[in-house]
Amino acid sequence: GAGVSQSPSNKVTEKGKDVELRCDPISGHTALYWYRQSLGQGLEFLIYFQGNSAPDKSGLPSDRFSAERTGGSVSTLTIQRTQQEDSAVYLCASTGVSSTDTQYFGPGTRLTVL
Amino acid sequence: SQQGEEDPQALSIQEGENATMNCSYKTSINNLQWYRQNSGRGLVHLILIRSNEREKHSGRLRVTLDTSKKSSSLLITASRAADTASYFCATDLNDYKLSFGAGTTVTVRA
Repeated sequence: GAGVSQSPSNKVTEKGKDVELRCDPISGHTALYWYRQSLGQGLEFLIYFQGNSAPDKSGLPSDRFSAERTGGSVSTLTIQRTQQEDSAVYLCASTGVSSTDTQYFGPGTRLTVL
Repeated sequence: SQQGEEDPQALSIQEGENATMNCSYKTSINNLQWYRQNSGRGLVHLILIRSNEREKHSGRLRVTLDTSKKSSSLLITASRAADTASYFCATDLNDYKLSFGAGTTVTVRA
């Protein structure tokens, strides 16, 4: 497809379980971002990938959160030992050459931790 | 921490009326962007205004930027029910990171 895709669209899990969220950026986009959005809030930056450079992980809230980007394309955000406070919408975005220009967002994954 | 703050938090208007929302930020920027979000899902880019621009138009949208006051406004003219959404401003913190505000929720009543 032409846009950013994310899967699953919804994920319900039990506290303590691990979850993996996937993002497929727009083909050719070198920059990829993960954000978290809690109910009624703005976007919280989690992690940034740019080409083969070391990612900026400064927004990851704890060591339970990790992300990978394989082959400079698909990215996976992993949350280990999920907690109820991890419940949120996780959004992925990608951009082309200039990273502070338009970001193209996926539809998000709504994570609910019971 | 959030660099941009939108005002008001919520806005309810009648279809056909104009909607204005504001964004204030703290540090100098290279550009400011506005995004729309429907139903808590992905954001859609609306418009980008660079620091050397004062006003920009796109269809029924008008954005202004006042770098001396560190503020921007988004005006939606002749609103429609489909404009019901949350609107976020985003400012660049460095050469790759954006900071998003908490958003303005706009409800357009038929």
